[in-house]
Amino acid sequence: DVKVTQSSRYLVKRTGEKVFLECVQDMDHENMFWYRQDPGLGLRLIYFSYDVKMKEKGDIPEGYSVSREKKERFSLILESASTNQTSMYLCAASFTGSHTVSYEQYFGPGTRLTVT
Amino acid sequence: AQSVTQLDSQVPVFEEAPVELRCNYSSSVSVYLFWYVQYPNQGLQLLLKYLSGSTLVKGINGFEAEFNKSQTSFHLRKPSVHISDTAEYFCAVSVWSNYQLIWGAGTKLIIKP
Repeated sequence: DVKVTQSSRYLVKRTGEKVFLECVQDMDHENMFWYRQDPGLGLRLIYFSYDVKMKEKGDIPEGYSVSREKKERFSLILESASTNQTSMYLCAASFTGSHTVSYEQYFGPGTRLTVT
Repeated sequence: AQSVTQLDSQVPVFEEAPVELRCNYSSSVSVYLFWYVQYPNQGLQLLLKYLSGSTLVKGINGFEAEFNKSQTSFHLRKPSVHISDTAEYFCAVSVWSNYQLIWGAGTKLIIKP
């Protein structure tokens, strides 16, 4: 089974701090995703990456950046945390083969970030 | 543009009763369809998926879903729910132009004892 891990389950940061959320997957999957989840809004895509050093903006990239220096690791960066970024952050990975694409995404346990 | 609608934000049901969670999608092309479950304070895990073939798909924990192309629906069902099924359920649709999924807003399944 694919294992996706996130660096913290719970995180409390102050307004204005720079925040790093780390995600690591162990199955050599090409695609990685960062979502935020808020009650009643479902999952909203922040950024995704389909290869090392490649990134694409999702639906709500403002206030966030990402880094993918190695295939297994995808980092989400909050440049200057604000209270409206208090949320659950979920990382996911999916596979792209040479002849097939699996849209199935494998998720980490999530990081609940509180910005005070 | 593709979209996914989960018609109910919450579904309360008595233990051992049947349940149906509704999902409708809009797309002009063929899609892959997914149901995920999220237990409290956890990430999402795949319940079942429709890629092709039989329109009745069976998943884990006794859940099944039926793909109805004419009604663009993919409703999730379970004949008898248990307290352990308390969770939030998400429907998702593939996006052909990239590797993304489009997500519904989620349905909370509330099991009443």
